[in-house]
Amino acid sequence: DQQVKQNSPSLSVQEGRISILNCDYTNSMFDYFLWYKKYPAEGPTFLISISSIKDKNEDGRFTVFLNKSAKHLSLHIVPSQPGDSAVYFCAASAQTSYDKVIFGPGTSLSVIP
Amino acid sequence: NAGVTQTPKFRILKIGQSMTLQCAQDMNHNYMYWYRQDPGMGLKLIYYSVGAGITDKGEVPNGYNVSRSTTEDFPLRLELAAPSQTSVYFCASSYRTGQPQHFGDGTRLSIL
Repeated sequence: DQQVKQNSPSLSVQEGRISILNCDYTNSMFDYFLWYKKYPAEGPTFLISISSIKDKNEDGRFTVFLNKSAKHLSLHIVPSQPGDSAVYFCAASAQTSYDKVIFGPGTSLSVIP
Repeated sequence: NAGVTQTPKFRILKIGQSMTLQCAQDMNHNYMYWYRQDPGMGLKLIYYSVGAGITDKGEVPNGYNVSRSTTEDFPLRLELAAPSQTSVYFCASSYRTGQPQHFGDGTRLSIL
């Protein structure tokens, strides 16, 4: 039973356009969400996070939106660059145990020059 | 600045063998974690530690053991390797709970 879902295994976007990666969760106790980026043969690296007290967090080209009622979050990358090509993992945790982070299966983003 | 270092990067084991995956961090982080990633799946937490001498189970602890004798090191032990333990293993650390984790580059383990 997946608590964090990323229903698109892959996504292709033209360079300069917007990339939108989606994530859904089922556990209403989750209140802290993170996005990690992973290149082949490397470990994941932290990209951006959002707390449930916010509905938007922005960091440069990356913005995460949270819709608590729909249990949905999305990562927007504008403009997309070829170096953004990687696997993106959505992750979530609850205040009761922030150490137990639940990861989604990932979305592989390809940015085409 | 090395961050989180995992050794070895690759290993092939026979069924029933044992081995220890090493993880070391030089960031003075209190929290350390072990995950496994199977193809097409997200990372699943095996064990974690909130400080030297303290460890706790994650989602998938069966078949693994850990110890945390120092702040820097958090080895993961497989006692009787099984094919189901073929996976990529990631170690991570964070300064305190709720903070984003820093990951090593992983150990790719195959059990035949």
